[in-house]
Amino acid sequence: QQQVKQSPQSLIVQKGGISIINCAYENTAFDYFPWYQQFPGKGPALLIAIRPDVSEKKEGRFTISFNKSAKQFSLHIMDSQPGDSATYFCAAILMNRDDKIIFGKGTRLHILP
Amino acid sequence: DVKVTQSSRYLVKRTGEKVFLECVQDMDHENMFWYRQDPGLGLRLIYFSYDVKMKEKGDIPEGYSVSREKKERFSLILESASTNQTSMYLCASSLWGTGNFEAFFGQGTRLTVV
Repeated sequence: QQQVKQSPQSLIVQKGGISIINCAYENTAFDYFPWYQQFPGKGPALLIAIRPDVSEKKEGRFTISFNKSAKQFSLHIMDSQPGDSATYFCAAILMNRDDKIIFGKGTRLHILP
Repeated sequence: DVKVTQSSRYLVKRTGEKVFLECVQDMDHENMFWYRQDPGLGLRLIYFSYDVKMKEKGDIPEGYSVSREKKERFSLILESASTNQTSMYLCASSLWGTGNFEAFFGQGTRLTVV
């Protein structure tokens, strides 16, 4: 019920290509879906987030697509750059008293120069 | 600039030792979290706290305890360290009930138990 399933575990994309990472959740009570980006030796940092009443959110080269009926959401990185190489985590949150963040297992993205 | 500071970047402890991991945030956040990060397993929640002296178990609390005596400080305690607790530990904090929810993470403590 509380799981967030993320795929793929690792991804290699050519520079300039589109990187796509997918996540699925089970608990329909989740009401906030962020993506975090983590570089080696650093803690994760918020990249972009979406609420379930919106089907898409775009910030620069990063886009979240959200499919409420399928309980799936994905991160698209357009024109991928070597500097985008990092580990990406999707997450889901119940925006109640707990504000507990449930993370996916992460995707290690490598952009080839 | 928001900041979450973990007291150590690297720690090496012996099996059976009592270990304290300290985390301090300077943003007056209500929520604080402790996660451990392992390859292939992602970020798993150990404990979280939404107020001083309040704590709730996460997904993997066994072998750990926490303390939050002041709003800015959240400590993770390994009562008797074991080798399977070798991991990267990440502390985070967030405001409660905000419209644009964001958790801020520290840089992590890499703990090795020998």
